Amino acid sequence: QQQVKQSPQSLIVQKGGISIINCAYENTAFDYFPWYQQFPGKGPALLIAIRPDVSEKKEGRFTISFNKSAKQFSLHIMDSQPGDSATYFCAAAGNRDDKIIFGKGTRLHILP
Amino acid sequence: DTGVSQNPRHKITKRGQNVTFRCDPISEHNRLYWYRQTLGQGPEFLTYFQNEAQLEKSRLLSDRFSAERPKGSFSTLEIQRTEQGDSAMYLCASSLRGQETQYFGPGTRLLVL
Repeated sequence: QQQVKQSPQSLIVQKGGISIINCAYENTAFDYFPWYQQFPGKGPALLIAIRPDVSEKKEGRFTISFNKSAKQFSLHIMDSQPGDSATYFCAAAGNRDDKIIFGKGTRLHILP
Repeated sequence: DTGVSQNPRHKITKRGQNVTFRCDPISEHNRLYWYRQTLGQGPEFLTYFQNEAQLEKSRLLSDRFSAERPKGSFSTLEIQRTEQGDSAMYLCASSLRGQETQYFGPGTRLLVL
């Protein structure tokens, strides 16, 4: 059973547009929700993270929206740039430094 | 601080051979994690250490897999009698206990022929 479901699998956005990736989770014990960015041949790198006591977190062009009652969260990338082209993983963890459960990833391509 | 390092970066082996990978975490990090990532999938948790103690192992970690962190610094992951299904990227991450962020290394890509 997949604990973190991510969609879409792939996404193409025009430069300057908004990229939106959605995730849903099952386990209500999760209390830490990071997003990771991965470029080909590299390990994942933390992009932004949120805890369920807030509904939104913004860092630069990246925003996480969190809906605790629906058990859903999403990543918005504003003013998307070609350099944002990468694979994005939503994830969840149960404790402050527990193992991370990843979604299957979204391959984002920003058209120049 | 050069981040998490992993060696080798690539490994090609024949089915049935044993392989060993090494991970060097960020120096002051006391937690070390191993994940496996197959093509088109997200990383999947294998095991983690706090200092030298192995605290949790996933069901994915069959008895052909063994991980060690003998002095609480670097870690090794050994796969015995490799199978073609072991072909994947093996990722190591480290963190400081009490902090959420896990920092990933570049991974070791294993191909079993």
